[in-house]
Amino acid sequence: QVQLQESGPGLVRPSQTLSLTCTVSGASISNGDYYWSWIRQAPGKGLEWIGYTYSSGSPFYSPSLRSRVTFSVDTSKNQFSLTLTSVTAADTAIYYCARGAFTLETNSLGWFDPWGQGTLVTVSS
Amino acid sequence: EIMLTQSPATLSVSPGERVTLSCRASQSIRSNLAWYQQKPGQAPRLLIYGASTRAADVPARVSGSGSGTEFTLTISSLQSEDFAVYYCQQYSNLWTFGQGTKVEIK
Repeated sequence: QVQLQESGPGLVRPSQTLSLTCTVSGASISNGDYYWSWIRQAPGKGLEWIGYTYSSGSPFYSPSLRSRVTFSVDTSKNQFSLTLTSVTAADTAIYYCARGAFTLETNSLGWFDPWGQGTLVTVSS
Repeated sequence: EIMLTQSPATLSVSPGERVTLSCRASQSIRSNLAWYQQKPGQAPRLLIYGASTRAADVPARVSGSGSGTEFTLTISSLQSEDFAVYYCQQYSNLWTFGQGTKVEIK
């Protein structure tokens, strides 16, 4: 059974950098069949895709966050991480990591399954 | 960016009733649509992908249909565990989600 678990600080100061890690168990992130993704949900709001990383190529980020976000991978620990710079209150959200499935329909990332339980990050001074 | 519009925002129903949720895309996404269920304090759970294929362990009372720009999620007989928020997600061009439909007890 594949499980994902997010970890990181729950409070980040405005203008600082948000860093989160997702630890994967039950599957290897080196497996090129999947896209390891980050998605966030502002309090009481909908879901926003942040980006993905995968072993077969370069990370791909949402155009709206591309200038501030970076993903990294530690295959020895089976973890992937998110770094978001220059945060503001608008970045306050529950951050989820998720495994993305490849689909032949688009020859790319399709749907997300499973998801981690999520971690709330609050941006406040 | 492809926008997904879900309707209604909230649906009040009684257990045992049939419910139909709608998701409309701002342009054709063929069948590149997934549905998720989210309960309070939990992560979203995949229900449907490819517009109509049930994910593992999803009960048969849950079904998806549609293609192009119009999609529906139907629960044939609502059970207590089905009261939740439902999101659609497209993967035709980047990846975006609808704003959700909350299914609440009437």
